[in-house]
Amino acid sequence: ETGVTQTPRHLVMGMTNKKSLKCEQHLGHNAMYWYKQSAKKPLELMFVYNFKEQTENNSVPSRFSPECPNSSHLFLHLHTLQPEDSALYLCASSPRLAGPNYNEQFFGPGTRLTVL
Amino acid sequence: AQTVTQSQPEMSVQEAETVTLSCTYDTSESDYYLFWYKQPPSRQMILVIRQEAYKQQNATENRFSVNFQKAAKSFSLKISDSQLGDAAMYFCAYRSAQGGSEKLVFGKGTKLTVNP
Repeated sequence: ETGVTQTPRHLVMGMTNKKSLKCEQHLGHNAMYWYKQSAKKPLELMFVYNFKEQTENNSVPSRFSPECPNSSHLFLHLHTLQPEDSALYLCASSPRLAGPNYNEQFFGPGTRLTVL
Repeated sequence: AQTVTQSQPEMSVQEAETVTLSCTYDTSESDYYLFWYKQPPSRQMILVIRQEAYKQQNATENRFSVNFQKAAKSFSLKISDSQLGDAAMYFCAYRSAQGGSEKLVFGKGTKLTVNP
């Protein structure tokens, strides 16, 4: 596997289910991100992790719970979601959390989530 | 807060022709980065080109070039000699150069169709 991988690619769940999205990066990066991509809306940053520590939570509801056990893996645990949470969830990684310097973010293919 | 606006939800171009995608942004900062990302139907987002705000010279990557107008807060993407593989969603994005923030602010995207 190369780059950033995400599993599953598609997920359908009921509002009472608990599921998890997984992201893995094979690039030796130290920063990882979760984004939400909804139809007709801009891509929204949800969470940022740097060296396994959460550095940004963009006012995300608590029904989304991220976990970063190491710099290569990032999870998004889902619990009691709403239909409006249906979207494409993208994971990304970058070499490190940048200061004034530029670091490219590399994206995974996403998980298409449908909440019934 | 910064905002990014892409005023063209959809564009089309004939193969081998040139097309320009528009992007404007709003910020009070003087130092920042601007990006164009491409998201093909397979959904993996890839970086096309980036521009550092302190550089006056417009960035170029092969058939892709930008027209960066800092005073006008405009950042358009020109695709020359369009190819069928250029068909995708194109997102303009902004990132502050100030330390401590890794947040990319995206526009809503422009869907580019390339006609054979």
